[in-house]
Amino acid sequence: DVKVTQSSRYLVKRTGEKVFLECVQDMDHENMFWYRQDPGLGLRLIYFSYDVKMKEKGDIPEGYSVSREKKERFSLILESASTNQTSMYLCASVKDTGGDEKLFFGSGTQLSVL
Amino acid sequence: GDSVTQMEGPVTLSEEAFLTINCTYTATGYPSLFWYVQYPGEGLQLLLKATKADDKGSNKGFEATYRKETTSFHLEKGSVQVSDSAVYFCALSDKGSSGSARQLTFGSGTQLTVLP
Repeated sequence: DVKVTQSSRYLVKRTGEKVFLECVQDMDHENMFWYRQDPGLGLRLIYFSYDVKMKEKGDIPEGYSVSREKKERFSLILESASTNQTSMYLCASVKDTGGDEKLFFGSGTQLSVL
Repeated sequence: GDSVTQMEGPVTLSEEAFLTINCTYTATGYPSLFWYVQYPGEGLQLLLKATKADDKGSNKGFEATYRKETTSFHLEKGSVQVSDSAVYFCALSDKGSSGSARQLTFGSGTQLTVLP
C-alpha cells in the first residue's frame, strides 16, 4: 500500500525554536506538498515541490521554508516558531499534476508552540 | 484567485438519512473537482472526483455532479451510516498563480456526525 509518513504525530515546541517536520513517501512521486489545517479555514498550501531541489511558494509561505534533497523526503522548517504556527500540518504527495490529483496524505503532525 | 465554499457544519444526521453537503467554487480556468474525506486521526483520502462539466463522480454510495452553470459540486448520499462520520472537504485543481504545476484549493471542511 502507498504510504506517506510524517515523523511525529504530536510535537510541542517553545517560541523561537527552530522546528523540523519530516515527510517521507514510498511511491516515487515527483510532487510533494505541505499544508496546514486550521478549524474553519480548511487546508492552506504552504509550499510544494515538483522535483528534487525544486520548490514553490504556496498561499501562506511566510515564516516557513522547505528542503527537498531526495525525491522521497520533503521537510518543512519553521525558522523561529511562533504561537500562531500552532496547527495541524499535513504532508501530501502525487505522481503528476496533470489532472488526476489523487493526493496521498500523511496522518498529520499536530504542532503546539508555547 | 480560485476559491471553494462549503456549507458550514457541523452536520448531524441519523443513520439512513439523506445527506447533502453543498460546495460551490470560483475558478478562472477549467478546474477538476474533488471530494476528500478525513476520518478521525487520519490524513485526507480521495473520495471521488470529476474532471469536466456534467461528469458524475461516485464512490462508496456518495455522488457529486460537476455543474458548470451553477459552479457547484454538491456531495450526496442516499443513506448514511455511522461509519460515514468524518470531515468532508471539497477541492478544485487548477493552474497556480505561478502557472506551473496544478494545485489543489480546499474548502473549509464540513464535519459530519451520523448517530445510530
